[in-house]
Amino acid sequence: EAQVTQNPRYLITVTGKKLTVTCSQNMNHEYMSWYRQDPGLGLRQIYYSMNVEVTDKGDVPEGYKVSRKEKRNFPLILESPSPNQTSLYFCASSRLEGALDTEAFFGQGTRLTVV
Amino acid sequence: AQSVTQLDSHVSVSEGTPVLLRCNYSSSYSPSLFWYVQHPNKGLQLLLKYTSAATLVKGINGFEAEFKKSETSFHLTKPSAHMSDAAEYFCVVSPYSGTYKYIFGTGTRLKVLA
Repeated sequence: EAQVTQNPRYLITVTGKKLTVTCSQNMNHEYMSWYRQDPGLGLRQIYYSMNVEVTDKGDVPEGYKVSRKEKRNFPLILESPSPNQTSLYFCASSRLEGALDTEAFFGQGTRLTVV
Repeated sequence: AQSVTQLDSHVSVSEGTPVLLRCNYSSSYSPSLFWYVQHPNKGLQLLLKYTSAATLVKGINGFEAEFKKSETSFHLTKPSAHMSDAAEYFCVVSPYSGTYKYIFGTGTRLKVLA
């Protein structure tokens, strides 16, 4: 079954404690991205990657890091989380060739609370 | 700059009546347009997409949308609402700007009344 898997689904952490949210896809997609969803703001892109070792900033990259060492994985790293990073996070993947008109597959989301 | 505007943050309809969720976009290029649905505590699921073929696009669960370039609109419709349609709906534009960036609207929450 084609899917994007995020872990964990729920996470409560304290300010400043480094954390990683994992994302894995089994569709051999080149393009992967991270979004955060906040009430009234829709989904905003944090980072995206067009292939292994190729990443770039989205609209709201501050406070986040990513890496793309393997095609299937695209972890989101918060080196020093702060309360304003409390949000619902989604990972997505799609084909790169024709990615502009190709469906993006989304993970189930990770609800992060930073206290 | 590219953008997408969902004109209503909340829409309420009675079961069995038509649904209209409005979306306007701004793009310097010929965009690809999508509608996604998000049910409570779920991820996003693609409803339908427009990719410069037919302007009337049919999607899953009886939804359809019409691309109107002159009005820069991509409104989502369904002839008869079902209780299971209650969810949040996102209009998404993917303009060709070399960044492969998807731009999301702020969402429309659809409520279906019995």
